[in-house]
Amino acid sequence: DQQVKQNSPSLSVQEGRISILNCDYTNSMFDYFLWYKKYPAEGPTFLISISSIKDKNEDGRFTVFLNKSAKHLSLHIVPSQPGDSAVYFCAASAFGNTPLVFGKGTRLSVIA
Amino acid sequence: NAGVTQTPKFQVLKTGQSMTLQCAQDMNHNSMYWYRQDPGMGLRLIYYSASEGTTDKGEVPNGYNVSRLNKREFSLRLESAAPSQTSVYFCASSDFRVTRNTEAFFGQGTRLTVV
Repeated sequence: DQQVKQNSPSLSVQEGRISILNCDYTNSMFDYFLWYKKYPAEGPTFLISISSIKDKNEDGRFTVFLNKSAKHLSLHIVPSQPGDSAVYFCAASAFGNTPLVFGKGTRLSVIA
Repeated sequence: NAGVTQTPKFQVLKTGQSMTLQCAQDMNHNSMYWYRQDPGMGLRLIYYSASEGTTDKGEVPNGYNVSRLNKREFSLRLESAAPSQTSVYFCASSDFRVTRNTEAFFGQGTRLTVV
């Protein structure tokens, strides 16, 4: 059973607009959430994270929002740029040295 | 600083052949992981090693074995390759000791095709 769900396989956004990528989780033990970005033929690279004690974390154009009651997080990219076109993975981990659990990913295409 | 290095980058195997995927990290991380990525399936954990001397199964361990050779190196072995093991394999490492909240760093991946 999927513990981390990204229900949108793909998303297209125009350059300069906001991209919103969504992620839901089912395991209430998860307390740390991350977003990874992946280009073709490369390994995933860390983008931004958020701890369960926060509801928002911002880093430049990227903001992650966490709604613990809904078990939902989202990644906002503003403004979107063509170089943001990639697959974005949501990941989560539970307290303790537990491995990251990943969603299936969302392919973002930013159209110039 | 190379980070996480995987070898080989590409491999074609015949069904039934064996091979070992190598992974090394130079960040002095204590934890290492093997994931596989398949279309529409995301990244699924095969095995992990929380610290030197320990290994544990992940979500999809069948058909694989691992060895944590030392703190730097974590290898993944396919004893008898099957077409279902055609995938892109990623090795990752992280350092839980530094801070509870830490990301994993990934290698470039090994693209394996079993025919």
